Amino acid sequence: DGGITQSPKYLFRKEGQNVTLSCEQNLNHDAMYWYRQDPGQGLRLIYYSQIVNDFQKGDIAEGYSVSREKKESFPLTVTSAQKNPTAFYLCASSSQGDYGYTFGSGTRLTVV
Amino acid sequence: KQEVTQIPAALSVPEGENLVLNCSFTDSAIYNLQWFRQDPGKGLTSLLLIQSSQREQTSGRLNASLDKSSGRSTLYIAASQPGDSATYLCAVYARAQKLVFGQGTRLTINP
Repeated sequence: DGGITQSPKYLFRKEGQNVTLSCEQNLNHDAMYWYRQDPGQGLRLIYYSQIVNDFQKGDIAEGYSVSREKKESFPLTVTSAQKNPTAFYLCASSSQGDYGYTFGSGTRLTVV
Repeated sequence: KQEVTQIPAALSVPEGENLVLNCSFTDSAIYNLQWFRQDPGKGLTSLLLIQSSQREQTSGRLNASLDKSSGRSTLYIAASQPGDSATYLCAVYARAQKLVFGQGTRLTINP
């Protein structure tokens, strides 16, 4: 079955550490996205990519970085510059046909 | 700037009732509108996708309508079941290929 795989499901980060969240899709979608979800604040867009080797900042890109070297993969790095990284991170992809979005199951990041 | 509002924020009803969730958006220049379901600690599951040229979509006990001119969409759930308990999110796909979400409606179906 086609879908989006996010790993790990849970991630713990120490102060000053960079961590990378994985997102892989086998839907042959061109566009991929990273969202952050905090209680009471809804989903906020971090970065998005419409094509390989190209990506754009979303609404809250500071302290995050991404790469898009393959169509199937869009990893997100949470850097030490992100002062409040504890949140639920969701990856998504969309087709150019109907622009319907498909989401992964999420990664919960906690700072320890 | 596109803003999406969902009312009510929370809803609790007895099992078997028909119910309506509301979504409104400020800019009618949208490409489509999508309804999602989210269970606690889980990702988003797509329920229905309505293209801008369509007025409604149906899947099983779910029916979603779209009125672009008034900036409104409704999600109708027939014969509600305890398994329908979840947070329902409305999102519009607008310019610059960005999906804008509402805050969600937290639905509880009581047995």
